[in-house]
Amino acid sequence: EIVMTQSPATLSVSPGERVTLSCRASESVSQNLAWYQQKPGQAPRLLIYAASTRASGIPVRFSGSGSGTEFTLTISSLQSDDFAVYYCQQYEKWPPYTFGRGTKLEIK
Amino acid sequence: EVQLVQSGAEVKKPGESLRISCKASGYRFSTYWIAWVRQTPEKGLEWMGIVYPDDSDAKYSPSFQGQVFMSADKSINTVYLQWTSLKASDTAIYYCAKRLEEMATLTPFDSWGQGTLVTVSP
Repeated sequence: EIVMTQSPATLSVSPGERVTLSCRASESVSQNLAWYQQKPGQAPRLLIYAASTRASGIPVRFSGSGSGTEFTLTISSLQSDDFAVYYCQQYEKWPPYTFGRGTKLEIK
Repeated sequence: EVQLVQSGAEVKKPGESLRISCKASGYRFSTYWIAWVRQTPEKGLEWMGIVYPDDSDAKYSPSFQGQVFMSADKSINTVYLQWTSLKASDTAIYYCAKRLEEMATLTPFDSWGQGTLVTVSP
């Protein structure tokens, strides 16, 4: 199975900052990569799919890039609502689809 | 509006059986695959498998093959995840999630249920 590695595990940032999260796949997943946001007590929410396409209703401050094995999620100007855990997921080769372990954004 | 509403929290003993449900609304239920995802603090998010509601065809992650069974009842827009003999290690939150695109195989999950907490304890 494809292993997804996210870094860093935790990121302390201030509101208004620009932040970049990384996700690496153990083998190429082309652009079949999604990003999800999860807040405490809630289900994951799809943010980005096909590596760079924003899902319906997702603000433009969220953007994704990458292909193959290296991907990034960028939040251009952090809002208070963005402090959460972010997961990447590959859907190139399944079963199983695989998730990274997540990056937690916390308030500095 | 697409909605996936899952059944409530469960507390079970090891060895007991269990079936949890996920009721869908707001879209054409039969033709969108629905997945089940497990979440634990130890292992994070794990994709368990996926079921096609129109005919209950299911595909499982190797890690969960033979451990759980997925099915669907399209007459009531509901998919199920069931165990015949629970273990303490099945303690987790379980989510159902709908595929974004109807026919594509390379597509993520855009709508999720609220989660069902399953606790297995002696």
